[in-house]
Amino acid sequence: GAVVSQHPSWVICKSGTSVKIECRSLDFQATTMFWYRQFPKQSLMLMATSNEGSKATYEQGVEKDKFLINHASLTLSTLTVTSAHPEDSSFYICGRDRGYGYTFGSGTRLTVV
Amino acid sequence: GENVEQHPSTLSVQEGDSAVIKCTYSDSASNYFPWYKQELGKRPQLIIDIRSNVGEKKDQRIAVTLNKTAKHFSLHITETQPEDSAVYFCAATPGPGGTSYGKLTFGQGTILTVHP
Repeated sequence: GAVVSQHPSWVICKSGTSVKIECRSLDFQATTMFWYRQFPKQSLMLMATSNEGSKATYEQGVEKDKFLINHASLTLSTLTVTSAHPEDSSFYICGRDRGYGYTFGSGTRLTVV
Repeated sequence: GENVEQHPSTLSVQEGDSAVIKCTYSDSASNYFPWYKQELGKRPQLIIDIRSNVGEKKDQRIAVTLNKTAKHFSLHITETQPEDSAVYFCAATPGPGGTSYGKLTFGQGTILTVHP
């Protein structure tokens, strides 16, 4: 079964609203999780690294005030897309590294209308 | 940071033929190289991976080769089947100890089409 659970799998929201995406590590405590974004017909790009108990680190060009990441527990990381706009429509996917393999959540398809 | 280049962007083969996808990377610290298959609307699925201490790994019809000196690695699929049709991504990530540990850098993807 899935060891990284991600919800929701898809969401449609109005422009200007915020959306929260949850990523749960089900089989072990993850101090670090990673958030990726995939635009249609493109590759996956790392957005940020979620660190349990401390601030997330963002990749260059990713707005930290727009993509809020919270990693309050060892099993849950959340990504909140604030004031979403149509250009934020994308596939968002979390992942974690166990040292001997990488596991992704099922992904969230966000559509902003 | 790491840069991963993947070729070709599209690949069309007849059922039963072999398919080869190649990737190059730039960061010599990278030591884990997974390959993912992604079907439309779904998460990437790991199909095979290789670590820098080996040069080749095989799993039934799928094999991966790694040349650390030249910084390139390749995916080989033999006896292709229509259900192999998907987008394939290579990726690279460094090992523990560095600031980029756990961060996957993906190639641009290859759309593989296997014609019956």
